[in-house]
Amino acid sequence: DIQMTQSPSSLSASVGDRVTITCQASQDIATYLSWYQQKPGKAPNLLIYDASFLETGVPSRFSGTGSGTYFTFTISSLQPEDIATYYCHQYETLHTFGQGTKLEIK
Amino acid sequence: EVQLVESGGGLGQPGGSLRLSCSASGFSFSNYWMHWVRQHPGKGLEWVSRINADGSHTDYADSVKGRFTIYRDNAKNTLYLQLNSLRAEDTALYYCARGDTSMIIQYWGQGTPVTVSS
Repeated sequence: DIQMTQSPSSLSASVGDRVTITCQASQDIATYLSWYQQKPGKAPNLLIYDASFLETGVPSRFSGTGSGTYFTFTISSLQPEDIATYYCHQYETLHTFGQGTKLEIK
Repeated sequence: EVQLVESGGGLGQPGGSLRLSCSASGFSFSNYWMHWVRQHPGKGLEWVSRINADGSHTDYADSVKGRFTIYRDNAKNTLYLQLNSLRAEDTALYYCARGDTSMIIQYWGQGTPVTVSS
C-alpha cells in the first residue's frame, strides 16, 4: 500500500501570508496526486489534480508542484475564506489520502 | 450540474448490515468510475471502494474487503454500497464520489452518516 505523509498537521498563518503544505509518498507516484479543500460540515472540493493542474474555477493563488514522491501545495496569499482542512490524495495505485492539514488564521 | 445524493445511512448493529445508495444526475452516469470514501468523526478521509463504468471491476480498501460490496445500476443512475458484518470502526460519514478514467476523484456528494452501535 502507498502511504502519504502530509505535513504539517496544523498551521496558523496571517491573511496575506504564503502558505505551503507538503506531502510525501512512500513510493513513486509520478504526478498522480491531487489536493482537496474541506470546510467544516462540507464535502471535499478538488483544487489541484495531476500534481500541478488547477481545477476549473479554482483561484490562481492555489498551486501545486512535485513528482515522484515529494509534492507541495501553496497558497500564495492567504485569504480568510481559505480556512479549511487540506488533503493530498494519491491515485497511482488505488487511493490514499494524507492525514490532512488544518489551516487557521493567526 | 453534477449532483450526487447519498442515502441509506443510519444506525446499524455490530455484525449487522446496511445498504447505502447514491443517486447521480447531471452527467452520463454509465461513463464514469464511482467511489465511496468515508470520514470517521473528526478524522481524515479514507478511500473505501471503487467500481468501473460498467460494473465489471471493483476494488476495496483492506479495512472493508470481504465485508463491503460496491455495485451500480446504470439504468437507475444509482451507486450502492452494501455494508455487512458491521463494526464500531465503520462509524463514519460515507461519501459517494465521481471519478474519471484518470482516477481523479472530481465530484463528491454531501455524505450519509453511519453509526454502528448496540
